[in-house]
Amino acid sequence: GDSVTQMEGPVTLSEEAFLTINCTYTATGYPSLFWYVQYPGEGLQLLLKATKADDKGSNKGFEATYRKETTSFHLEKGSVQVSDSAVYFCALLNAGGTSYGKLTFGQGTILTVHP
Amino acid sequence: DVKVTQSSRYLVKRTGEKVFLECVQDMDHENMFWYRQDPGLGLRLIYFSYDVKMKEKGDIPEGYSVSREKKERFSLILESASTNQTSMYLCASSFPGLAGGPSTDTQYFGPGTRLTVL
Repeated sequence: GDSVTQMEGPVTLSEEAFLTINCTYTATGYPSLFWYVQYPGEGLQLLLKATKADDKGSNKGFEATYRKETTSFHLEKGSVQVSDSAVYFCALLNAGGTSYGKLTFGQGTILTVHP
Repeated sequence: DVKVTQSSRYLVKRTGEKVFLECVQDMDHENMFWYRQDPGLGLRLIYFSYDVKMKEKGDIPEGYSVSREKKERFSLILESASTNQTSMYLCASSFPGLAGGPSTDTQYFGPGTRLTVL
């Protein structure tokens, strides 16, 4: 079945540091890929998405490129802020498998940014 | 903006109680989902619904049931709560695919209900 693997956390950075959170996936067909973010005490919010190979999703300074050859969707940000502290989830949506767009999530990566 | 609301942010129940978790969305979405979130496991799908009165089992449906009597409302029911159902429960909604096909649309999430079963 489909699966998503994220780098283990937690990740602790200083403000303005470069961020990479690795995400790889296993899926049949041509899934769409997502990064969701969960701030403390809140639900999940969509951060960015990519629907086909070589697409780059971007939002709030975060970027991720859909790499089919390496089955990866790594999240990057050039300069993190304290306000980026949150849990980040990589997910895939495989429309080719189930009919109703079931999301498969990675285990989540906790990011803490210190001033 | 899409709004998905859940009836409670925190809930404490006793073992054996029947528990109802309510979710309401205001975007006329056909698809609705219930997940549970546990540390180190990410989110796992319990049940989903693609239309009123329709439901499908997700990956971990045991011990749960659902009800969808109206398009905007999707309820998760714990028939007899147990301590291993202590978790964060998240509801989500999305549009279906075009022409009845698979959906690739973004799922929008509610704030979650943290349930503790004693």
